[in-house]
Amino acid sequence: EAGVAQSPRYKIIEKRQSVAFWCNPISGHATLYWYQQILGQGPKLLIQFQNNGVVDDSQLPKDRFSAERLKGVDSTLKIQPAKLEDSAVYLCASSLGSTALGREKLFFGSGTQLSVL
Amino acid sequence: GIQVEQSPPDLILQEGANSTLRCNFSDSVNNLQWFHQNPWGQLINLFYIPSGTKQNGRLSATTVATERYSLLYISSSQTTDSGVYFCAVDRMDSSYKLIFGSGTRLLVRP
Repeated sequence: EAGVAQSPRYKIIEKRQSVAFWCNPISGHATLYWYQQILGQGPKLLIQFQNNGVVDDSQLPKDRFSAERLKGVDSTLKIQPAKLEDSAVYLCASSLGSTALGREKLFFGSGTQLSVL
Repeated sequence: GIQVEQSPPDLILQEGANSTLRCNFSDSVNNLQWFHQNPWGQLINLFYIPSGTKQNGRLSATTVATERYSLLYISSSQTTDSGVYFCAVDRMDSSYKLIFGSGTRLLVRP
């Protein structure tokens, strides 16, 4: 079974530039998550989708971050414009979504390491 | 919000040794998961364990929900066990949001 796919693996940009990350969840997984992991810390949830609807985006900095999951499968996360403090690993995860939300095993992709100079 | 504290923050073991990692949480939870992040950054789900005890090979986990803690046991550690171990919980309300602890960094020396 294929895992969660993410691209690119690494990205280096200058501040004020824009960047986009792509995620394809495990086939059949209805719930998709984007997490931000700053060096030395645990992952922090940015946004959670159930199919193509947003369940939670309370910690997404909406002035610069946006995410979409138009067809309920793959998803993109965009940052525009990027700031130095956005340097982090951006992780995508998915879960089945067949039971009550938040009560399932999460499976993570390899992440995109973003460096903002 | 719910607080998740992991201890110890850092741990160095000799290959073959056993260890116990602890996760304390400040509120009742619906969901508790243990993850291993390897040195290349990949997060692997080890256990989904909101209560009770589970075992998988050399690893086992116990969650005592009424006392708000969970333990991860690693027996006969191997160098491939190195990495960061995270505990993540979902508060027992409608938030459905996994909150991660800051992790335990484990180094197993040959």
